[in-house]
Amino acid sequence: QKEVEQNSGPLSVPEGAIASLNCTYSDRVSQSFFWYRQYSGKSPELIMSIYSNGDKEDGRFTAQLNKASQYVSLLIRDSQPSDSATYLCAVGGTGGGADGLTFGKGTHLIIQP
Amino acid sequence: GAVVSQHPSWVICKSGTSVKIECRSLDFQATTMFWYRQFPKQSLMLMATSNEGSKATYEQGVEKDKFLINHASLTLSTLTVTSAHPEDSSFYICSARLAGGYTDTQYFGPGTRLTVL
Repeated sequence: QKEVEQNSGPLSVPEGAIASLNCTYSDRVSQSFFWYRQYSGKSPELIMSIYSNGDKEDGRFTAQLNKASQYVSLLIRDSQPSDSATYLCAVGGTGGGADGLTFGKGTHLIIQP
Repeated sequence: GAVVSQHPSWVICKSGTSVKIECRSLDFQATTMFWYRQFPKQSLMLMATSNEGSKATYEQGVEKDKFLINHASLTLSTLTVTSAHPEDSSFYICSARLAGGYTDTQYFGPGTRLTVL
């Protein structure tokens, strides 16, 4: 059974600092990786997708993937209070898009003003 | 672009009744839609994969006769919770995959909160 592990937190970071979120996954053949942000009572909102080893940057967000270590991370630079949310790591399969996602339990991030 | 809607956004029903939830892709065609469920303080759990024009594929432990899924068109999938019970109370979220794309980015609907009394 596929598993995605995240530290549940809460992770508290001062405003303006870098928030670092980590995720490990169990299925070595996974090919697609996603970070979603979820506010309380709302559905997930896609932040980043990454498919190849290395870094991928989009604005204040950088996703990092290391398939050999089965490790995914998300860095949030210049953290803002509005970034306070639960961040879900999700892993897809090898079905070319036909697979559902396996989610971690999420890390609760708190940005302190 | 890539907007997914769900209706209703919330529903309260009595135990034993059936509830239908609609999931629509508004500005794209989706050959594949997914249904997830999220209990309080837990993460999303995939319930089933719905392909247009064919039977849904259910995850282990999800009762296919209780959670009926119909994907009749490229923009609409429905989930019917039959004979709902209080333990079915949850946040039901659908997602849709953009047809024709290789990458499996899924676009999520806003969710439907079901409360069974």
